[in-house]
Amino acid sequence: GENVGLHLPTLSVQEGDNSIINCAYSNSASDYFIWYKQESGKGPQFIIDIRSNMDKRQGQRVTVLLNKTVKHLSLQIAATQPGDSAVYFCAETLTGRRALTFGSGTRLQVQP
Amino acid sequence: KAGVTQTPRYLIKTRGQQVTLSCSPISGHRSVSWYQQTPGQGLQFLFEYFSETQRNKGNFPGRFSGRQFSNSRSEMNVSTLELGDSALYLCASSLDDGRGRGYTFGSGTRLTVV
Repeated sequence: GENVGLHLPTLSVQEGDNSIINCAYSNSASDYFIWYKQESGKGPQFIIDIRSNMDKRQGQRVTVLLNKTVKHLSLQIAATQPGDSAVYFCAETLTGRRALTFGSGTRLQVQP
Repeated sequence: KAGVTQTPRYLIKTRGQQVTLSCSPISGHRSVSWYQQTPGQGLQFLFEYFSETQRNKGNFPGRFSGRQFSNSRSEMNVSTLELGDSALYLCASSLDDGRGRGYTFGSGTRLTVV
């Protein structure tokens, strides 16, 4: 697949545990952030987003935290399931720029 | 509603040839962006189109070009293919409601240059 050969950091968790995936973003002016999940052979799938005027946003089983001071994003997945196994990317942009800048990705492996 | 459709799914081309990839955005989405994904460089922005106009371009050589049609469908073209152009090419569409949200990706076209 597209991520084969790329040395991605890997997070290995047990089914049912909570997962935390971290991302450092590059542009302090970025005001919109997105987490994507990419499974083998597929395009990135939207998980959750957050604007820079927030520091936390929750979805179904997922929470995104934004720390603008240190330019850090995290994705928390509650009760991780085998179907959550994938590569996770954070992306940042600035309203009006119309282009996403992606992080390098983290591979999540869920052990049954 | 139908998602973002990219065709073809797979392509094998020879060095020096050219290739055209197609993207049909979600109905009602007027912005189409293209990204290249490789193991070495990750996901990189190529260009973005809105109402048939290129509004933003990434740092790629002039061999990479694109266009958008009046129905918002978009094509990208790569001329004089090089081995390093082998990649997954992803298209994303969005509403472009001024808030920069809602990028939805297609499954991509995997291009192999031999």
